[in-house]
Amino acid sequence: DIQMTQSPSSLSASVGDRVTITCRASQSISSYLNWYQQKPGKAPKLLIYAASSLQSGVPSRFSGSGAGTDFTLTISSLQPEDFATYYCQQTYSTPLTFGQGTKLEIK
Amino acid sequence: QVQLQESGPGLVKPSETLSLTCTVSGGSISSYYWSWIRQPAGKGLEWIGRIHPSGSTNYKPSLKSRVTMSGDTSKNQLSLKLSSVTAADTAVYYCARNRMGPSGEYFDYWGQGMLVTVSS
Repeated sequence: DIQMTQSPSSLSASVGDRVTITCRASQSISSYLNWYQQKPGKAPKLLIYAASSLQSGVPSRFSGSGAGTDFTLTISSLQPEDFATYYCQQTYSTPLTFGQGTKLEIK
Repeated sequence: QVQLQESGPGLVKPSETLSLTCTVSGGSISSYYWSWIRQPAGKGLEWIGRIHPSGSTNYKPSLKSRVTMSGDTSKNQLSLKLSSVTAADTAVYYCARNRMGPSGEYFDYWGQGMLVTVSS
């Protein structure tokens, strides 16, 4: 299985901050990397697919980059509704696997 | 707008079979792959497997011996069965639509999730 490791596991930030979350794969996954946002009690929501493609309806303050083994999710200016847990996911090979999550909290 | 809704028993006894249904509205299940994902309380996401209604399936190897997925195009429903459950199978179970693209697949629609507790 391909292991996905996110860092940090938790992060405190303020509204308006620029935030970056990193995801590292245990082997090269090309650009087969997605990012999801999950709020408490809710299903995950797709933000970014194929490493850098913004899902329809997702605000442009979210962006993704990377290829191979190292990827980042950036939120350019945090809004109150962005405080949530973020997961990366590889779809290069089955079993599809997720990172352990990064919890973004209000400072 | 595509909507997914999981349903089934919320309580299953140890050693029995967990059975869940995902009802899809707003689109046909025939043209897509569909995945089941679970999430224990306070923990991360675990992909269980995926199915195409044509019959093609892929299961997570560690669960493969206990998992069966199927689809009923006449009812536009998907089914998950997990046998010989233990407390470790207690989780919120999600169904999701797999969108296949040139740079991999992604889950663009999710059900709201259903909590299944394994307990006697």
